[in-house]
Amino acid sequence: GAGVSQSPRYKVAKRGQDVALRCDPISGHVSLFWYQQALGQGPEFLTYFQNEAQLDKSGLPSDRFFAERPEGSVSTLKIQRTQQEDSAVYLCASSSGSLTETQYFGPGTRLLVL
Amino acid sequence: AQRVTQPEKLLSVFKGAPVELKCNYSYSGSPELFWYVQYSRQRLQLLLRHISRESIKGFTADLNKGETSFHLKKPFAQEEDSAMYYCALSGLASGANSKLTFGKGITLSVRP
Repeated sequence: GAGVSQSPRYKVAKRGQDVALRCDPISGHVSLFWYQQALGQGPEFLTYFQNEAQLDKSGLPSDRFFAERPEGSVSTLKIQRTQQEDSAVYLCASSSGSLTETQYFGPGTRLLVL
Repeated sequence: AQRVTQPEKLLSVFKGAPVELKCNYSYSGSPELFWYVQYSRQRLQLLLRHISRESIKGFTADLNKGETSFHLKKPFAQEEDSAMYYCALSGLASGANSKLTFGKGITLSVRP
């Protein structure tokens, strides 16, 4: 079946612009995660959804970052007033939600803020 | 706090040589450890996890709680093993919120 998809794959934004990044998880997957991967670093956790409920947003770096999953499937990560330090690859992952289930990653959205 | 350390950034070996990618972790509870791999132009994918006790593509990793390590090993490297490898950790008691903490990754380059 189809894997996790993300759009756009690349995004260039001017400093101060708002951006919205989309994640389509694997159909039926309950859990959805967002990670941020800066250049030369490993992915870092941003936020977690179980269905439509955002149960953990401890990794969001500032109140400019906002994520939602209103119907428990597609999720959007929004970054307001982008800054240069927001430049990174944003990864989405989904899993079935059981304790031992694997997280499946999307291809990522590469964001460059000029 | 949980932390994963991959002390090396790059490992370059010849085809057929043994490979060991190091990973150390810090976690106060019962951890679950993973190795993820990213081949060129592909997405991040799970290679293996310690609870499965499997050997995938000839790779194995043993969780050593005394040394808090989860090193990835392969006796004979192949060119197709060239990729970026990430060690990751989640808490077994975390329930469905199995958020992953990753190391910085290591590039494995296998030369012909």
